[in-house]
Amino acid sequence: QLQLQESGSGLVKPSQTLSLICAVSGGSISSGGYSWSWIRQPPGKGLEWIGYIYHSGSTYYNPSLQSRVTISVDRSKNQFSLKLSSVTAADTAVYYCAREGMATINAFDIWGQGTMVTVSS
Amino acid sequence: QSALTQPASVSGSPGQSITISCTGTSSDVGGYNYVSWYQQHPGKAPKLMIYEVTNRPSGVSNRFSGSKSGNTASLTISGLQAEDEADYYCSSYTSSSTWVFGGGTKLTVL
Repeated sequence: QLQLQESGSGLVKPSQTLSLICAVSGGSISSGGYSWSWIRQPPGKGLEWIGYIYHSGSTYYNPSLQSRVTISVDRSKNQFSLKLSSVTAADTAVYYCAREGMATINAFDIWGQGTMVTVSS
Repeated sequence: QSALTQPASVSGSPGQSITISCTGTSSDVGGYNYVSWYQQHPGKAPKLMIYEVTNRPSGVSNRFSGSKSGNTASLTISGLQAEDEADYYCSSYTSSSTWVFGGGTKLTVL
């Protein structure tokens, strides 16, 4: 059973870069047919899709965040990562990683448990 | 891209049916059959309940069903149970090869 686990710094200072990793277990991130997304949820608010990376390495980002976001994959470690630069308090949220089954299920079928990131000095 | 539009809250009594709407545009909901619905209990990660408008993943109760007409998708929960009380989010693929979520709907079981 494939599982996802987020990790990274829980506290980031304003203007710095938020960095998170999503470790994939029980399956290979290099398997074709899937994309790997980051999704966030500010406290008390709704879900916001941040971006995804295909198994091929192609990336797509939310236009509202595109200038600050980078998603990359490390196949040797079976994980993918999120970097969000120039953070402000508005970036405080629970960050989830999720798998989307392109051409099969076309939805986010597996989610990590989420990790809280607070932006504060 | 703008968030899909959902009602902020809906409620129903045990055993009743409720429907949650999700309105987008021809560039997302209306243009693709890639609408999905997620259930989220407090402090938990979202759980996929419906994918590709009408399909239920294995293990999801058949009390949950989905449909779409034009730019509006809907989630119907029949035979409401106490454990259905949660937040529900819709999501759609878009013409920009991105994804967008709805603002979320809080379901209260009276």
